[in-house]
Amino acid sequence: EIVVTQSPGTLSLSPGERATLSCRASQSVSSNYVAWYQQKPGQAPRLLIYGASTRATGIPDRFSGSGSGTDFTLTISRLEPEDFAVYFCQQYGNSRTFGQGTKVEIK
Amino acid sequence: EVQLLESGGDLVQPGGSLRLSCEASGFTFTNYVMSWVRQAPGKGLEWVSAITGSGGDTYYADSVKGRFTVSRDNSKNTLYLQMNSLRADDTAVFYCTKASGSTRPYYFDYWGQGTLVTVSS
Repeated sequence: EIVVTQSPGTLSLSPGERATLSCRASQSVSSNYVAWYQQKPGQAPRLLIYGASTRATGIPDRFSGSGSGTDFTLTISRLEPEDFAVYFCQQYGNSRTFGQGTKVEIK
Repeated sequence: EVQLLESGGDLVQPGGSLRLSCEASGFTFTNYVMSWVRQAPGKGLEWVSAITGSGGDTYYADSVKGRFTVSRDNSKNTLYLQMNSLRADDTAVFYCTKASGSTRPYYFDYWGQGTLVTVSS
């Protein structure tokens, strides 16, 4: 099983700042099959990014994904108040496993 | 508009059984793999089970294999999860998810609002 590790566990930032979230897989993810989800308290996760870098429908362009092999990154260029949430990455190239999440909180 | 509406979550004793349902609408149900993903309180996400569009193939996480059974009724656009021999560590919100396609590899492009299963005496 591919183990997915996210860092940091918590990111404390102010609105307008840039957020950089890391996702590392224990082995190479085939064809960059990595997705990112956003979850707000009491809500279901929402798909943000798939294929490591493709934004899902309706996702603002301040969200971007990058990376390949074992290392992937979600970047939020300028944090809006509604972006403070928990973010999960998932690999789906070999079965499907999730990271433990990164919480982006208001500093 | 894609909608996934779960039901069936409840408080159940250890060793008990429960069946979850998920009514889907807004897309051609038979064309997509459907999955269950769960989230224990305050924890991360765990894929539980998946079923192909025809219902002919099913897949399970090791943690539930032999205890949970996924099925679907394409005439009713409904996904099910039969859970037997429930344990305390099965306590979680269970999400019904639509896969991005009809075969692997797939990600989860739509999620239901979740239904809470609590296993406790």
